[in-house]
Amino acid sequence: DAGITQSPRHKVTETGTPVTLRCHQTENHRYMYWYRQDPGHGLRLIHYSYGVKDTDKGEVSDGYSVSRSKTEDFLLTLESATSSQTSVYFCAISVWTGDTFRNTGELFFGEGSRLTVL
Amino acid sequence: AQSVTQLDSHVSVSEGTPVLLRCNYSSSYSPSLFWYVQHPNKGLQLLLKYTSAATLVKGINGFEAEFKKSETSFHLTKPSAHMSDAAEYFCVVILYNQGGKLIFGQGTELSVKP
Repeated sequence: DAGITQSPRHKVTETGTPVTLRCHQTENHRYMYWYRQDPGHGLRLIHYSYGVKDTDKGEVSDGYSVSRSKTEDFLLTLESATSSQTSVYFCAISVWTGDTFRNTGELFFGEGSRLTVL
Repeated sequence: AQSVTQLDSHVSVSEGTPVLLRCNYSSSYSPSLFWYVQHPNKGLQLLLKYTSAATLVKGINGFEAEFKKSETSFHLTKPSAHMSDAAEYFCVVILYNQGGKLIFGQGTELSVKP
């Protein structure tokens, strides 16, 4: 358990409204990620962060923004939600080795946030 | 470009019979590969990983996978399925040349019949 909590766990909203999903971690990990999961697509990376105020885009970043003002929180915002953004969103942290600063590839996931945009 | 392809979207086995979940990879260099498992309404959990050491990798819950460079495959196996193995399984490759990003396969849903 990497101490990752996501909120809200479920949300239903209407097209055009803003939505913010929160990911909170308790173990001071530097790297945090937001993925979306859709049937037939596996998990696709939306954005990731490699430190406070340091973020970068993933493969499906259009329509999403992120912020990380402190180590423990990574926020995902949909400025104007669309039906195509109906999905399950997962936050994850990654484990890096201390000596070589190499990503081990081991991700620890939250339990997901199910978003429905009507 | 590096990628993974899971050859079956759904696999169904009977309890006590072997499990085979197939994954092929595409990589211009020796990759690091992973299998993750996702039980219903849960996040993903690392099952096992290959990082250029032994080609036969053992994971949790009796699963193992063999890296075969000649076949560009990393298939996941288990000798005897248990009902609790029913879940979705993802084959994953890591892109070290892109900051350690992970690329997920499409997933294989494993059903286990009593």
